[in-house]
Amino acid sequence: EAQVTQNPRYLITVTGKKLTVTCSQNMNHEYMSWYRQDPGLGLRQIYYSMNVEVTDKGDVPEGYKVSRKEKRNFPLILESPSPNQTSLYFCASSLGALGRRGRLDGYTFGSGTRLTVV
Amino acid sequence: AQSVSQHNHHVILSEAASLELGCNYSYGGTVNLFWYVQYPGQHLQLLLKYFSGDPLVKGIKGFEAEFVKSKFSFNLRKPSVQWSDTAEYFCAVKGGSYIPTFGRGTSLIVHP
Repeated sequence: EAQVTQNPRYLITVTGKKLTVTCSQNMNHEYMSWYRQDPGLGLRQIYYSMNVEVTDKGDVPEGYKVSRKEKRNFPLILESPSPNQTSLYFCASSLGALGRRGRLDGYTFGSGTRLTVV
Repeated sequence: AQSVSQHNHHVILSEAASLELGCNYSYGGTVNLFWYVQYPGQHLQLLLKYFSGDPLVKGIKGFEAEFVKSKFSFNLRKPSVQWSDTAEYFCAVKGGSYIPTFGRGTSLIVHP
């Protein structure tokens, strides 16, 4: 089944303790992205990746890191989490950012990771 | 820069009522437009998308949206909602940049 898999689904951690949220897709998608979803703010993009070893900042990258060493994986790293990073996080992937005539196909989203930093 | 605005933050309807959710975008060139739905406790799923051609786009679950270029709008419609349509709905636009921009979402509650 074609899907984007995120782990863990729920995580409670303490301020300053490094954590990684994993994201893996099995659709050979080039484009992957991380969003955070907060009430009243919708989805805000944290980082995105056009392809292996190609990553760039989204709208709210502060406090986050990403890597794209393999096409299928795009982990989100919080080196020193803080309470304002408490949020619902979604990983998403898409076939390509630049398809025919520059189209971006719709995303496939992961199931989300609810992170609480105390 | 591109932006998208969803005017209705919360909508409450009774079953069988008609639905229209507003979405306006700002971008001067060619755009790709999307509507996503997020059911309670679940991830976002693509409802429908517009790339080019017929401005009336039909999606899953009886939803449709109309791209009106002169109004920079892409409103979502359904003639008769069901209780199971209770969800949050997000409009998204992709213009010249690689990054799609999402609206803040509209929460729809349908009373049985």
